[in-house]
Amino acid sequence: DAGITQSPRHKVTETGTPVTLRCHQTENHRYMYWYRQDPGHGLRLIHYSYGVKDTDKGEVSDGYSVSRSKTEDFLLTLESATSSQTSVYFCAISRSAGVEETQYFGPGTRLLVL
Amino acid sequence: AQRVTQPEKLLSVFKGAPVELKCNYSYSGSPELFWYVQYSRQRLQLLLRHISRESIKGFTADLNKGETSFHLKKPFAQEEDSAMYYCALSGNTGNQFYFGTGTSLTVIP
Repeated sequence: DAGITQSPRHKVTETGTPVTLRCHQTENHRYMYWYRQDPGHGLRLIHYSYGVKDTDKGEVSDGYSVSRSKTEDFLLTLESATSSQTSVYFCAISRSAGVEETQYFGPGTRLLVL
Repeated sequence: AQRVTQPEKLLSVFKGAPVELKCNYSYSGSPELFWYVQYSRQRLQLLLRHISRESIKGFTADLNKGETSFHLKKPFAQEEDSAMYYCALSGNTGNQFYFGTGTSLTVIP
């Protein structure tokens, strides 16, 4: 599992409340990613990080912010949750072996916004 | 622009039958292609990658640059193969991945 954990694993919240999801890795990987998974859309990249305090937007970044103050932690914040943000959120790291880069995923967080 | 297309959202086959999950891609450079599998309510797991030319759980995939395809094949499907399968592409930078929308495979006993 590449030492990736996510917390919480499940969350129910109300529209308009802020929500923070945490991704933690133990292998000191430089690159970390947040995806959301929705039926019919597959996996879509929200934000990614290429180092401490270095982040960039992905395909569906509106309504989300991220922070990475330590190598091991990558936080995803929904500033004001909406029902359209009900989804399964996956964190991933990129592990390199020579010239190969492969992504490994966390267990996911199921978020329900009422 | 990079794009990965999985034309089949759902695919059902009988146990013991051959299975092929289609993946087509568009990319201007030399991509790396991957297949990931997700069993019910679990994390995505790497199934195989073209650069390794490996066979995992009986699955194989060949990169066809002429047809820009990376179809996943298995000669004899098993019930435990029922899962969601995602094709993914990594570009020249190596650090951004692009995923298809996934194919849900059901193997009928």
